[in-house]
Amino acid sequence: AQSVTQLDSHVSVSEGTPVLLRCNYSSSYSPSLFWYVQHPNKGLQLLLKYTSAATLVKGINGFEAEFKKSETSFHLTKPSAHMSDAAEYFCVVSVMWDTGRRALTFGSGTRLQVQP
Amino acid sequence: DTGVSQNPRHKITKRGQNVTFRCDPISEHNRLYWYRQTLGQGPEFLTYFQNEAQLEKSRLLSDRFSAERPKGSFSTLEIQRTEQGDSAMYLCASSETQSGSTDTQYFGPGTRLTVL
Repeated sequence: AQSVTQLDSHVSVSEGTPVLLRCNYSSSYSPSLFWYVQHPNKGLQLLLKYTSAATLVKGINGFEAEFKKSETSFHLTKPSAHMSDAAEYFCVVSVMWDTGRRALTFGSGTRLQVQP
Repeated sequence: DTGVSQNPRHKITKRGQNVTFRCDPISEHNRLYWYRQTLGQGPEFLTYFQNEAQLEKSRLLSDRFSAERPKGSFSTLEIQRTEQGDSAMYLCASSETQSGSTDTQYFGPGTRLTVL
């Protein structure tokens, strides 16, 4: 079975300071991992995707994440927060089964607040 | 590329009524997914189509739920005899087959269902 645990339900940072959103995963197989962002009243947007090509993945809007197999982690970081980064962030795992199932398993989300 | 669209964006209905939602995927995406998201939670997988074939259904998809993708393009999700517990955001996503890698799913804005 596969699952993700987002370790913080809320994170608050000041504008211009670093962002760290933590995610641990559990998977019986080599996983693909994603971070999605959801702004209020908007659809889910893909930030970045890990598929074993490189452990450090760069995404949109200055975000990046590092896959650490030994720690089963996939934390999301950004060097300097912007007010527009305030949103809900989801860590997501997907595993390709023999049956062809390709559904995503979402974490419960981390709400990022950015203070001026 | 107009993205994934969903209609209606909002639906308010009375308990016991039937509702139907529509999803139009990104053109030429052969895979289509339905998810449900309740307040404060991440989306949960409901069902998955590859072209017109429904290949996977979650245990969350009770007998009152049915989904179709008759021509392998748009899809509909019907809920019969709605219950208050069906109130949620229903999300649609689409993807295209990527050999040797997990598909990237692109999400629509969702249909918010409120059952009174």
